[in-house]
Amino acid sequence: GIQVEQSPPDLILQEGANSTLRCNFSDSVNNLQWFHQNPWGQLINLFYIPSGTKQNGRLSATTVATERYSLLYISSSQTTDSGVYFCAVLNSGGSNYKLTFGKGTLLTVNP
Amino acid sequence: DAGVTQSPTHLIKTRGQQVTLRCSPKSGHDTVSWYQQALGQGPQFIFQYYEEEERQRGNFPDRFSGHQFPNYSSELNVNALLLGDSALYLCASSRDLSYFEQYFGPGTRLTVT
Repeated sequence: GIQVEQSPPDLILQEGANSTLRCNFSDSVNNLQWFHQNPWGQLINLFYIPSGTKQNGRLSATTVATERYSLLYISSSQTTDSGVYFCAVLNSGGSNYKLTFGKGTLLTVNP
Repeated sequence: DAGVTQSPTHLIKTRGQQVTLRCSPKSGHDTVSWYQQALGQGPQFIFQYYEEEERQRGNFPDRFSGHQFPNYSSELNVNALLLGDSALYLCASSRDLSYFEQYFGPGTRLTVT
């Protein structure tokens, strides 16, 4: 099946710093989503971005489908940005309907 | 617009028992998927239901079964619980053709003792 690799696995920032999280995937995809998992376990939708670039406030994301990677940018980080960020993809082709998740990036933003 | 809801929030069961978890999809969604998330890992796909049938299944044993009702809500059943079944169980919903955006519920945290 498709492989999803996220980097870095852990990231520690001071409040106000910028960061870039990366997601590499091994095959073509129909769907790519970025999620933020809060301390209670809820997965919050950040971006649905199988290709192109999107921005939402301090967050933006870019997916280059032909090169099989996606980037999540966080600018002017805040302590509330702390948590685990997951990239998840849906492999295109065939009767495949499942999202495959990476192992996540644990972000800690210190005041 | 109600999001995805799940019940119960937390559950403690004994090894060998059976458990049923419930999920109501986001308004307008007709497809429900279930995921298991062990501590420190990403969610793993269990199965997906559409039109009241299991459409795809991940690498989980037959002890894991499900159901979808005509109102699109869904249940996940786990029989003969093992200690290793302790995890966060997440339900996701989407419109048909799952390459549409999937939305997750708050999860049910199952502890097997």
